[in-house]
Amino acid sequence: DAKTTQPNSMESNEEEPVHLPCNHSTISGTDYIHWYRQLPSQGPEYVIHGLTSNVNNRMASLAIAEDRKSSTLILHRATLRDAAVYYCILRKRKSNFGNEKLTFGTGTRLTIIP
Amino acid sequence: NAGVTQTPKFQVLKTGQSMTLQCAQDMNHEYMSWYRQDPGMGLRLIHYSVGAGITDQGEVPNGYNVSRSTTEDFPLRLLSAAPSQTSVYFCASSSSWGKETQYFGPGTRLLVL
Repeated sequence: DAKTTQPNSMESNEEEPVHLPCNHSTISGTDYIHWYRQLPSQGPEYVIHGLTSNVNNRMASLAIAEDRKSSTLILHRATLRDAAVYYCILRKRKSNFGNEKLTFGTGTRLTIIP
Repeated sequence: NAGVTQTPKFQVLKTGQSMTLQCAQDMNHEYMSWYRQDPGMGLRLIHYSVGAGITDQGEVPNGYNVSRSTTEDFPLRLLSAAPSQTSVYFCASSSSWGKETQYFGPGTRLLVL
């Protein structure tokens, strides 16, 4: 099963851009790249997702490598509210409906320095 | 829209007791899932459902049962609780599997003594 690799932790200064990397070298053609974040004592919250092209929304941008083996979540101007654990996960286009092994991994803990 | 709701928020059980964690969503989503999160770890998929009457196992299904009699509800049953099931449980729903956003509930914190 395709898995993702992220740094355990990162720090960034407030109001500066943050680039959170994710490696997924065994990604398949049917895998979507999703990013979620989890604030303390809360459930995960959707951030962004993409398949092949770079994506932008009001929260962040997602840059996907041409070979799709890595991606980067970009927070353009970090605020203290962005301090969270960020998870990069792969979701297949359709459930295989057979022992799905969707795992979030340990994610990257992002600390924002005021 | 309430989104995804979970009850209870917190529960203490003794080893061997049974209980049901409730999950409901009001977004008419076909796909629902249960995850557990152990301290310092990411989420792991327990069971999931692609529609009413259809469920399947995730990565860590042992010790848990699910059923999906309606689109809205997806309860998770612990038949005989064990200390290893101490965790935070999250329910999630989405309108499809791969490309759509998953919406997560606030979680149920379970302590098994």
